[in-house]
Amino acid sequence: EAQVTQNPRYLITVTGKKLTVTCSQNMNHEYMSWYRQDPGLGLRQIYYSMNVEVTDKGDVPEGYKVSRKEKRNFPLILESPSPNQTSLYFCASSFPGGTTDTQYFGPGTRLTVL
Amino acid sequence: EDQVTQSPEALRLQEGESSSLNCSYTVSGLRGLFWYRQDPGKGPEFLFTLYSAGEEKEKERLKATLTKKESFLHITAPKPEDSATYLCAVQAPTGGSYIPTFGRGTSLIVHP
Repeated sequence: EAQVTQNPRYLITVTGKKLTVTCSQNMNHEYMSWYRQDPGLGLRQIYYSMNVEVTDKGDVPEGYKVSRKEKRNFPLILESPSPNQTSLYFCASSFPGGTTDTQYFGPGTRLTVL
Repeated sequence: EDQVTQSPEALRLQEGESSSLNCSYTVSGLRGLFWYRQDPGKGPEFLFTLYSAGEEKEKERLKATLTKKESFLHITAPKPEDSATYLCAVQAPTGGSYIPTFGRGTSLIVHP
């Protein structure tokens, strides 16, 4: 089954404790991205990757890091989480060609930073 | 700055009562406009991509249309299972970057 998986699905942590949210897709997609979704603000892109070793900032990259060492994986790293990073996070991937057309989204990771 | 405004914020319909959702956009050139459906606690699910004014796409009870300033998602004879939040997003050709701008969504509830 074609899918995007994220782990963990739920995470409660404390300020400053480094964490990683994993994202994996099994569709051989070149384009992958991370979003956060906050009430009243909609989905906002954090980072995206056009292919292995190619990443770029989205609209709200501050406080986040990403890496793309393999085509299927695109982890999101919070080196020193803060309460304002409490949000619902989605990973997405799309067809080869490196566009945002027809993005497939993961199930989401709900992060709470205390 | 690219902007996307969706209206109404919330919509309640009776089963079978057709209606339309609106997505107004302001971009410097449009590369594509996307519609997604999002169920509570789940990731958005892709519905349509529209590329140029006059284009229309259909899927079951849904039909998306596009003009130079807005897009409509028409829902014909909706059923309770059509209840969800519908998201609109646009992408402009911004020098090689691919950062879509999403609207805040329209929450649709269809009563049996």
